[in-house]
Formats: sequence, C-alpha cells, structure tokens
Amino acid sequence: GQQLNQSPQSMFIQEGEDVSMNCTSSSIFNTWLWYKQDPGEGPVLLIALYKAGELTSNGRLTAQFGITRKDSFLNISASIPSDVGIYFCAGYNAGGTSYGKLTFGQGTILTVHP
Amino acid sequence: DAGVTQSPTHLIKTRGQQVTLRCSPKSGHDTVSWYQQALGQGPQFIFQYYEEEERQRGNFPDRFSGHQFPNYSSELNVNALLLGDSALYLCASSLGTGPGELFFGEGSRLTVL
Repeated sequence: GQQLNQSPQSMFIQEGEDVSMNCTSSSIFNTWLWYKQDPGEGPVLLIALYKAGELTSNGRLTAQFGITRKDSFLNISASIPSDVGIYFCAGYNAGGTSYGKLTFGQGTILTVHP
Repeated sequence: DAGVTQSPTHLIKTRGQQVTLRCSPKSGHDTVSWYQQALGQGPQFIFQYYEEEERQRGNFPDRFSGHQFPNYSSELNVNALLLGDSALYLCASSLGTGPGELFFGEGSRLTVL
C-alpha cells in the first residue's frame, strides 16, 4: 500500500531558527496536507496543497507540493516555543479506491529550546 | 460553534471485550472518518461514513465496525479486543467526502490489558 516517509524523525532547534521538513511517497497524490498535533490533542490542519508545484504560506509556515506529486515540504521560519509538537504530512487521492482516505506519514517531532 | 467531540476520552478494557466509541461531528459537517493512531505513529485510516453508509475502508479486520446516525454522529465498535488495539482513536469530520477541511477530535485513548 501507499506509504509516506517523513524526515527528519525529530528536530531540536533554538528559538528563532528556521525549520525544514519533508515528506516523500512511493506513489502519486493529488492533494498534500500538513497537520500539527499537540500532546493530548487531535491533529490540526496547517496547510492544504491541491496543485503540483503549488507554494502556499500560512503566517510563518510555507509548504510546497512537489512537481512529481510524490513529495512535499514544510518550512517554519523564526521558530517560537509554541511551535513544539508533532508535524504530520498526509496525502490524498480523490476518487477510485482511495475515496475519502488520508495516508499519513510517521511524523516529525519538533522541540524548540528558548 | 462546537468542534468534533469524542467520548469517552480514556478507557481501559481487557482482551476479548468489546468497546464502543462515539463521535459528534463539527456543526454543519456530514461526513465522519475514523483513524487509529498507535503510539509514535501517524494516524491510520479505518473507515469513512457518509449518508449513513460506510464509503471507504482501510486495512482493518471486520472486528472494527461502525455506524452513522441520521444526525451525522457516529460510533466505532471493536469486538474481541486484542492488546494491539491499544491506541488513540481519532474521529474526523468534514463536509462531503473530499479531504478539504478535515477537523479532528481530541481522540479516545483505549488501553487493552
């Protein structure tokens, strides 16, 4: 089945640094999503990408949908302590047998030191 | 505006027992999806309900079943519990069956002893 590989698995950074993480797939997705999950909470949608090559920003977050449709990356600029959490990428294909199903990566654990 | 609500938040069961988890979708949403998140892993899709029917199913055995009610709320049932069923069970709601804005609840933490 489809699998998403996220890297790095964990990051330890200083407040104010920029962060970059990426996600690759063995197969094509036509939608990429990035979520953040805090302890004891469900994932919260950060950015949705619907078109190959698309670059989308949400405040200090920027994400891109790779042109091959098999990868995506997320950048966080000028990190702050509340950026701590687990970041997940997720892929989706409308229609066919994947109807309604998100495939998630394993997550990137982000720790920000003040 | 209430978001996605799940109950119970935590529960402990023993092997072989059965469990029912409940979900109320965000106001205005008509589709509910269920995910299983094992410790240290990303969520895994179990199934999705729309118009009171199971529309899509992930790679989970028949021990996992669900239901959607006319008010769009949903239940997840797991029979003959195994130790490996211990996980956080997440409910997500959306409008229609595309991913769009998929809103997750806080989850139900199931521990099987």
